[in-house]
Amino acid sequence: EIVLTQSPATLSLSPGERATLSCRASQSVGSYLAWYQQKPGQAPRLLIYDASNRATGIPARFSGSGSGTDFTLTISSLQPEDFAVYYCQQRSNWPPITFGQGTRLEIK
Amino acid sequence: QVHIVQSGAEVREPGASVKISCKASGYTFVSHAIHWVRQAPGQRPEWMGWINVGTGTPKYSQRFQDRVTFTRDTSASTIYMEMSSLRYEDTATYYCVRGQRGNYDIFDSWGQGSLVTVSS
Repeated sequence: EIVLTQSPATLSLSPGERATLSCRASQSVGSYLAWYQQKPGQAPRLLIYDASNRATGIPARFSGSGSGTDFTLTISSLQPEDFAVYYCQQRSNWPPITFGQGTRLEIK
Repeated sequence: QVHIVQSGAEVREPGASVKISCKASGYTFVSHAIHWVRQAPGQRPEWMGWINVGTGTPKYSQRFQDRVTFTRDTSASTIYMEMSSLRYEDTATYYCVRGQRGNYDIFDSWGQGSLVTVSS
């Protein structure tokens, strides 16, 4: 089973700042990594798939990069609605499909 | 517009079973896989398995394969997930999730979730 480790656990930033979230895989997942955003009481929402492809309707301020074992989600200029929990997920070697433990992005 | 609507919250005692429904609309039902993902309070999502909606063939995570069953009713555009022998640690929100067409393991639309509480 591929283990995904996200860092930091919590990120405190102000609106307008740049956010950089990391996800590391226990073995190579190629480019088969996705990012999801989850707000309280809501289901996760797909942001990025295959490391760098934005899902339909996702603003351009969200971008993803990386391959192999190290991946980054960048939010270029934080908007108030971006404060949430972010999860990475791999689909390279499954079953099982696995998720990281999440990064909480909070307002500073 | 894609809509995935799940059945409501359930409370069960330990050892009981629960069956959750997931009704899809706004797209060709048989053209997309459906996955089930659960999330315990404050925890990461956990993948349970998926069903090929076109053929009705399910595949289960090894962790759940002895206790879950996925079925579908194409005439009603509805998927079902049944879990038996419930334990306290099965308390979670259960999500029905659509796989992207062509890349059926990319989760592009999620239901609103069904909270299952296991309590005596």
